[in-house]
Amino acid sequence: EADIYQTPRYLVIGTGKKITLECSQTMGHDKMYWYQQDPGMELHLIHYSYGVNSTEKGDLSSESTVSRIRTEHFPLTLESARPSHTSQYLCASSELSRSVRSSTDTQYFGPGTRLTVL
Amino acid sequence: GESVGLHLPTLSVQEGDNSIINCAYSNSASDYFIWYKQESGKGPQFIIDIRSNMDKRQGQRVTVLLNKTVKHLSLQIAATQPGDSAVYFCAEMIQGGSEKLVFGKGMKLTVNP
Repeated sequence: EADIYQTPRYLVIGTGKKITLECSQTMGHDKMYWYQQDPGMELHLIHYSYGVNSTEKGDLSSESTVSRIRTEHFPLTLESARPSHTSQYLCASSELSRSVRSSTDTQYFGPGTRLTVL
Repeated sequence: GESVGLHLPTLSVQEGDNSIINCAYSNSASDYFIWYKQESGKGPQFIIDIRSNMDKRQGQRVTVLLNKTVKHLSLQIAATQPGDSAVYFCAEMIQGGSEKLVFGKGMKLTVNP
């Protein structure tokens, strides 16, 4: 069982509100990720981090921002929520692989935050 | 570009039968593959992985087969149980950069008692 947590689990808010989705892991993993997923659909990477003070944009264009001030914490912020942001947001973490030849990237996922913007 | 896709969007099996879930990938440079299981309302859960230097890997009731010639990946579940009902995703890792996982579309497995 992976030790990665997300809060809140469910959130319903109005358009224009600023929100922060929390993600924490206690495994000491260097890499962390945020994905967006519509029901039954594939996961789309929106942000990731290699470690403290490292943040990168993913493949899916996103109006969100992230920060990585501590290893265990990787919050996602939406400055002004819109109905198009309605989705499930999944956080994941993995160890930083030390060798390209034996690279692995087993990602452990949190339970997700289901966001609804009215 | 890279893409990973599942052949079948849904699969319905009887309890006790074996299940096979297939996945195609397009980038021959991918060298690491993972199968995830996602139950309703939960995040994806790691099932099994395989590196490109292997053709087959077995876990508890699950086997992953990799055919690099045709860029095909499959997940076999033996003696399928109702608890196996979920959406299954394959994912590939593209080497030589960010080591990001690329996920395919999910396939829903329903196990009938």
